[in-house]
Amino acid sequence: DAKTTQPPSMDCAEGRAANLPCNHSTISGNEYVYWYRQIHSQGPQYIIHGLKNNETNEMASLIITEDRKSSTLILPHATLRDTAVYYCIVRVKAAGNKLTFGGGTRVLVKP
Amino acid sequence: ETGVTQTPRHLVMGMTNKKSLKCEQHLGHNAMYWYKQSAKKPLELMFVYNFKEQTENNSVPSRFSPECPNSSHLFLHLHTLQPEDSALYLCASSQDYAGGPTDTQYFGPGTRLTVL
Repeated sequence: DAKTTQPPSMDCAEGRAANLPCNHSTISGNEYVYWYRQIHSQGPQYIIHGLKNNETNEMASLIITEDRKSSTLILPHATLRDTAVYYCIVRVKAAGNKLTFGGGTRVLVKP
Repeated sequence: ETGVTQTPRHLVMGMTNKKSLKCEQHLGHNAMYWYKQSAKKPLELMFVYNFKEQTENNSVPSRFSPECPNSSHLFLHLHTLQPEDSALYLCASSQDYAGGPTDTQYFGPGTRLTVL
């Protein structure tokens, strides 16, 4: 699976949009981009995933660049409960179904 | 609430004890997973079960013994653990394992294990 690079930490203001970047410059054509988050001492929570089109659900939006070498997770209106470590993962949707977690971005939402 | 429950949530055990961690999923999924998360380290996949059959063992020491009696339940039996085995143990499940459209993994809250 392709390696991802995320900033180790970032702060954002409550009520504002949080834009979390992820670089995956070696991504191959059949690899999907997944985002999970982990609130302190809890299990990871699935947020969203996509292949090449932008995706939106009730939690977030995923914007993938045209060359697919990077993506941005957008939390449209961050709340204090969005404080967590956010993981960007790329993987092939094939037998094996492995999620390889890196260091993620520690997001702190401030009042 | 993800539909995946784990018990106990916290466990303290001595190195000579035998204990078991339990995971139950209420989602009708066919695949279940055990992960380990040590302090300041990324999650590590330990075992995968698909339709009750073990499909992956990531070189996990034999002092960890998984059991999957049916698609809804997964156990991790622990014996003669070491202090370095102290970690958050996470269970996950997914509808499919073979990479189909429904292979998203959903995690339980984890069991915080401390080995003295």
